[in-house]
Amino acid sequence: SQKIEQNSEALNIQEGKTATLTCNYTNYSPAYLQWYRQDPGRGPVFLLLIRENEKEKRKERLKVTFDTTLKQSLFHITASQPADSATYLCALGHGSSNTGKLIFGQGTTLQVKP
Amino acid sequence: DGGITQSPKYLFRKEGQNVTLSCEQNLNHDAMYWYRQDPGQGLRLIYYSQIVNDFQKGDIAEGYSVSREKKESFPLTVTSAQKNPTAFYLCASRPTSGKTPNTGELFFGEGSRLTVL
Repeated sequence: SQKIEQNSEALNIQEGKTATLTCNYTNYSPAYLQWYRQDPGRGPVFLLLIRENEKEKRKERLKVTFDTTLKQSLFHITASQPADSATYLCALGHGSSNTGKLIFGQGTTLQVKP
Repeated sequence: DGGITQSPKYLFRKEGQNVTLSCEQNLNHDAMYWYRQDPGQGLRLIYYSQIVNDFQKGDIAEGYSVSREKKESFPLTVTSAQKNPTAFYLCASRPTSGKTPNTGELFFGEGSRLTVL
């Protein structure tokens, strides 16, 4: 069955460092991958999209990579700030379907300490 | 401001009762979705609708029902047949036209937390 794994343990880092979150998947060939941020008790907010033919995408302090051979995406936050503390979700989508249905990972909680 | 509004934010239900969660959007999006979120699990799709008067079952539709009579509204009813309804419910919408209709981001509401007493 299709499976998405994100680090279940919380990631604790010091302010100013780079946070790296991992999203691994099996039994799936996604056409694209999205990353969302979710704060406690709130709905997820879209951050970045990367397609299967793209190796890397950047947006301000955020960088996403997508390795379809390793079946893995890495999400980086450079110069991290306490305000970056949240849960980050990865989601995979299949391009041949136009339903927009996504498969979500369970999320990784990031804690940035001042 | 455009967005998705879910209500109520918190809801308590006695066993055997049906409850309806509201989801309204003014983003003019055609597609709408209901997800369920449980601790330690990814969001799971309950139902989705790509156009008015049409909807499809997601991965965990049993014990739930929806309607899509208006483009702006996609209410979810949690019926008494749902064995474990306590969860955080998220409604989302997505544009289906534009440059990348098939990879468009989801716009989420703030969620409704349902607790069964």
